[in-house]
Amino acid sequence: ETGVTQSPTHLIKTRGQQVTLRCSSQSGHNTVSWYQQALGQGPQFIFQYYREEENGRGNFPPRFSGLQFPNYSSELNVNALELDDSALYLCASSSAGRGGAHTEAFFGQGTRLTVV
Amino acid sequence: AQSVSQHNHHVILSEAASLELGCNYSYGGTVNLFWYVQYPGQHLQLLLKYFSGDPLVKGIKGFEAEFIKSKFSFNLRKPSVQWSDTAEYFCAVNADNAGNMLTFGGGTRLMVKP
Repeated sequence: ETGVTQSPTHLIKTRGQQVTLRCSSQSGHNTVSWYQQALGQGPQFIFQYYREEENGRGNFPPRFSGLQFPNYSSELNVNALELDDSALYLCASSSAGRGGAHTEAFFGQGTRLTVV
Repeated sequence: AQSVSQHNHHVILSEAASLELGCNYSYGGTVNLFWYVQYPGQHLQLLLKYFSGDPLVKGIKGFEAEFIKSKFSFNLRKPSVQWSDTAEYFCAVNADNAGNMLTFGGGTRLMVKP
């Protein structure tokens, strides 16, 4: 167990709908990153939150947005769902110190989103 | 932007065979390198990591990897695989200017036959 929990584990949505995925980071970690893993591919970086602010973003459109809360848990929101958004969404937590050095990332089990 | 290539998409081995999985990255600066494993139905787990120092890194479960800077490679090895090593293996790179963003390769699915 990594101490990183994600909910829900599975979700089915209809094209055009909106979805919110949740992540509780490991105790003591202040950084959360979200990844999308399409079937048969490696995870792709969506964005990262550090102390409640977005701290880096991958090549994903603005309809992918997020939040980080004071307890360092996080949400990933996706608006106007498309069929290609069907994937496993992974959350990873880590800790960043002064100067930006990070500890290794610990991953949750993911949320499998199916868009029909 | 950095990228990571894993050349072997599927590997099938018999138990006790030796394993080497290739990983090449493209980035000219300082990198941190990782190998993650994903067992069926489980979360990504860190096998080993390289930040600096000895380029030969030993990880959990008998795995090791060698960083060859001149070849931009970080190949994963294990002298003798077990059936329980059946999983998907991902190489990942973190560039020195990218916070903790990981760029993953496409993964190698390993099947070990008993």
